[in-house]
Amino acid sequence: EVQLVESGGGLVQPGGSLRLSCAASGFTFSDYYMRWVRQAPGMGLEWVANIKEDGSAKYYVDSVKGRFTISRDNPKNSLDLQMNSLRAEDTAVYYCARAPILADGLADSWGQGTLVTVSS
Amino acid sequence: QTVVTQEPSFSVSPGGTVTLTCGLRSGSVSTSYYPSWYLQPPGQAPRTLIYNTNTRSSGVPDRFSGSILGKKAALTITGAQADDESDYYCVLYMGGGTWVFGAGTKLTVL
Repeated sequence: EVQLVESGGGLVQPGGSLRLSCAASGFTFSDYYMRWVRQAPGMGLEWVANIKEDGSAKYYVDSVKGRFTISRDNPKNSLDLQMNSLRAEDTAVYYCARAPILADGLADSWGQGTLVTVSS
Repeated sequence: QTVVTQEPSFSVSPGGTVTLTCGLRSGSVSTSYYPSWYLQPPGQAPRTLIYNTNTRSSGVPDRFSGSILGKKAALTITGAQADDESDYYCVLYMGGGTWVFGAGTKLTVL
């Protein structure tokens, strides 16, 4: 069974940093594109970042470019999102998601999410 | 400004059929946009229904189907059930590794 478990969320002050992690199990992690998607309170879903199977390509939504970094550790089956220079508008539940095997869709599996609150 | 458009709300009777759509503010949605559909019950994580226009995710019943209808991607639900009541999101691939979600459709079954 595919499992994606996020961790690392919490309360952080504006301008601060936070590192989210996603522990993957139940599938061959290195075979899949991985993504982060977020959802601000009461709002819709927003794609945040992608990383290719081998980590060689990364893509970001414009609003986080230069502040967030997606990375992965394939031997450890782990996906990370390093978030720097956090702003109030980054407050959201952050979901780890697995792309379909051919990467012909955004996601076929989702974690339960971790809440990030940026506030003073 | 919303690039990807969805109906804000829709209602369907139990047992009925409903088609939700996913369009572009300008232009037509084609299979090249790899349209995908997700449902999100209140307070829960999203679940995948359809990706790559019409591929059902594992375990999704065939009551849910995806297609291109005219200039939009479409999600059709047949035999609507009470627990289909949820928010439904579509997402489109915009090129350059980027994806954009629609604002979601709140589906009511009554």
